[in-house]
Amino acid sequence: VQLVEYGGGLAQPGGSLKLSCVASGFTFRTYWMFWVRQAPGKGLEWVARIQGDGSNLNYADSVKGRFTISRDNAKNTLYLQMNSLRAEDTAVYFCVRSNYYFDYWGQGALVTVSS
Amino acid sequence: DIVLTQSPESLAVSLGERATINCKSSQSILYTSNNKNYLAWYQQKAGQPPKLLFSWASTRESGVPDRFNGSGSGTDFTLTISNLQAEDVAVYYCHQYYTGVITFGQGTRLEIK
Repeated sequence: VQLVEYGGGLAQPGGSLKLSCVASGFTFRTYWMFWVRQAPGKGLEWVARIQGDGSNLNYADSVKGRFTISRDNAKNTLYLQMNSLRAEDTAVYFCVRSNYYFDYWGQGALVTVSS
Repeated sequence: DIVLTQSPESLAVSLGERATINCKSSQSILYTSNNKNYLAWYQQKAGQPPKLLFSWASTRESGVPDRFNGSGSGTDFTLTISNLQAEDVAVYYCHQYYTGVITFGQGTRLEIK
């Protein structure tokens, strides 16, 4: 199992960024997938999740209305579109496979929101 | 939302000794229909993603040394590390997946004394 995130970087407040996570080594379409973030020196916070077939989506209150999770099962890829970014969104964003618990994590993509 | 409170926030233990980390849930995370506690433990070393140690409160992941033990039920859970080794230095998190709004404990930093 491998999860590799792409797309991190620097964004201005109010700007946008899109993360991707390419999955391999398992049947991607059968798993719920999550984005979990970790602000510098802080703990873990779940951001969004999506069911295997994409039919159910949920968001943390802190990102609802600004972030959109999606997936392309043909490409084994998970996405996180982040709009209206704020300084407090600065964090490492992990792509995570869910088996109820979180059994596989990507290495993470650093998103920095600063002017 | 379920709040998970870990204690202590940090601890320093001598090599070869035992470390004990507690995780207390604001409500029971035992699902009585299957008698499973919806709690996991993770280890996060500096610069790395978290690594799953235990699921269902006490089911050890493959490859995790048996020096590590997860226990507890309902609202009170414990991660015990016996015969502490230098490579156990990390931050440890508990995580409940009982409800749709999953939550983590704030983390416990383990160091060598």
